Amino acid sequence: EDKVVQSPLSLVVHEGDTVTLNCSYEVTNFRSLLWYKQEKKAPTFLFMLTSSGIEKKSGRLSSILDKKELSSILNITATQTGDSAIYLCAVNTGTASKLTFGTGTRLQVTL
Amino acid sequence: NAGVTQTPKFRVLKTGQSMTLLCAQDMNHEYMYWYRQDPGMGLRLIHYSVGEGTTAKGEVPDGYNVSRLKKQNFLLGLESAAPSQTSVYFCASTGGWSGNTIYFGEGSWLTVV
Repeated sequence: EDKVVQSPLSLVVHEGDTVTLNCSYEVTNFRSLLWYKQEKKAPTFLFMLTSSGIEKKSGRLSSILDKKELSSILNITATQTGDSAIYLCAVNTGTASKLTFGTGTRLQVTL
Repeated sequence: NAGVTQTPKFRVLKTGQSMTLLCAQDMNHEYMYWYRQDPGMGLRLIHYSVGEGTTAKGEVPDGYNVSRLKKQNFLLGLESAAPSQTSVYFCASTGGWSGNTIYFGEGSWLTVV
C-alpha cells in the first residue's frame, strides 16, 4: 500500500521565522511529488518535483526532493501570517496520475 | 475560465437520503477524480476516471457511485447517505500525463445527520 507521511502534524511559529516541513513516502511507482497549500477551500498548487527537477524555488518558498531518502522538504523563510495554512504533500504514482496524500502539516504564523 | 466547478457547495442530508455531487471542468481534461477530506486523514481517493465513459475505484469507494457520461462532467452519487459520509468532497482534474498539474475544485461540504 502506498504511504505518504508528513511531519510535524502542526507547528506554531512567529512571523519572520524560517520553517521546514517534511514529507516521506513509500510507493510502488514514483512519478512526482507535489506540494499544495490549503487555506479554507481547495488545495492550491505550489511545486512539483520529479527525478529531473529535484529542487524548486518561488519567492520565500523552496522545496527539495531526496530520491535516495524517499523524502522531500518544504522550506518557508521569513514567514508571514498569510503563510498560515495546511501544507499537503502528495505523490503521483503514475497510474492514472492518482495522488496519494499525506495528512498535512498545519502551520500557524503568529505576530 | 472557471476551471473545476463543484455543485452544491453545502448540503445537509438525512441518513438514508440520496444525492449527487456534480463536478464540471472546462479545460478539456481527460482524467477526473473525487477525493474526500476528513480531519487528520488527508485527502483520500474515492473514484476516478481516465476518460469519457470510464470509471474506476479508488482507496475508499464503498457507499459511492460515479458516472462520466460527458468528458467535462464527473458525478459522485451517494445512494443511501450515512453519517460516516460527512466530509468535504473535492473534485480534481488533469490533462492525463504525470507532468501535468492537477487542479482542484472549491470543495463540497456534506453533513449527514
